[in-house]
Amino acid sequence: NAGVTQTPKFRVLKTGQSMTLLCAQDMNHEYMYWYRQDPGMGLRLIHYSVGEGTTAKGEVPDGYNVSRLKKQNFLLGLESAAPSQTSVYFCASSRPTSYAYNEQFFGPGTRLTVL
Amino acid sequence: AQSVSQHNHHVILSEAASLELGCNYSYGGTVNLFWYVQYPGQHLQLLLKYFSGDPLVKGIKGFEAEFIKSKFSFNLRKPSVQWSDTAEYFCAVIPMDSNYQLIWGAGTKLIIKP
Repeated sequence: NAGVTQTPKFRVLKTGQSMTLLCAQDMNHEYMYWYRQDPGMGLRLIHYSVGEGTTAKGEVPDGYNVSRLKKQNFLLGLESAAPSQTSVYFCASSRPTSYAYNEQFFGPGTRLTVL
Repeated sequence: AQSVSQHNHHVILSEAASLELGCNYSYGGTVNLFWYVQYPGQHLQLLLKYFSGDPLVKGIKGFEAEFIKSKFSFNLRKPSVQWSDTAEYFCAVIPMDSNYQLIWGAGTKLIIKP
């Protein structure tokens, strides 16, 4: 099993450009998440999905959109990139059987720079 | 608002030293607790987790953590660190009413000097 994979690994954008980050998991997990990681701030949840066709906002959703058309894929879109979106983006997935059992599995990350 | 505090942002130790990284959370109800590790250039990996039962939890690579409910703490320990433990360590908490969302600490960067 590949686990959680992310495409691309690195990307440089100019302000105002758009892009989509792809996350794929082969563990048949119901839940998927997009985080951003910035120095000294830990991980902050952007959006998440509790199942195919559903999405919800996390802590820092502004400037991002997501889609979960297939259970195994979770897309993160930036419609008009801004320098403040320079960050490392992590995707994660989980299959919580209750609130108690929600171990998240992470992808390798995408390092995005917006000039 | 619920939060997780990691007391030290940077820790530098020599090999063979003992390690304790602090983690406190602000939630009065039932929680589940995690420590994740991120080695340089790698993604986050689960180090250990506490769901219920024995409050002393053992994880991979000789790490352990103790859940002290009365202190709202879940400190990470290792008796003797190695150079390969150089990494960033994150504490995370799931409160019972959080809809499965983890609340993350800001992380502690650990550097082990050989």
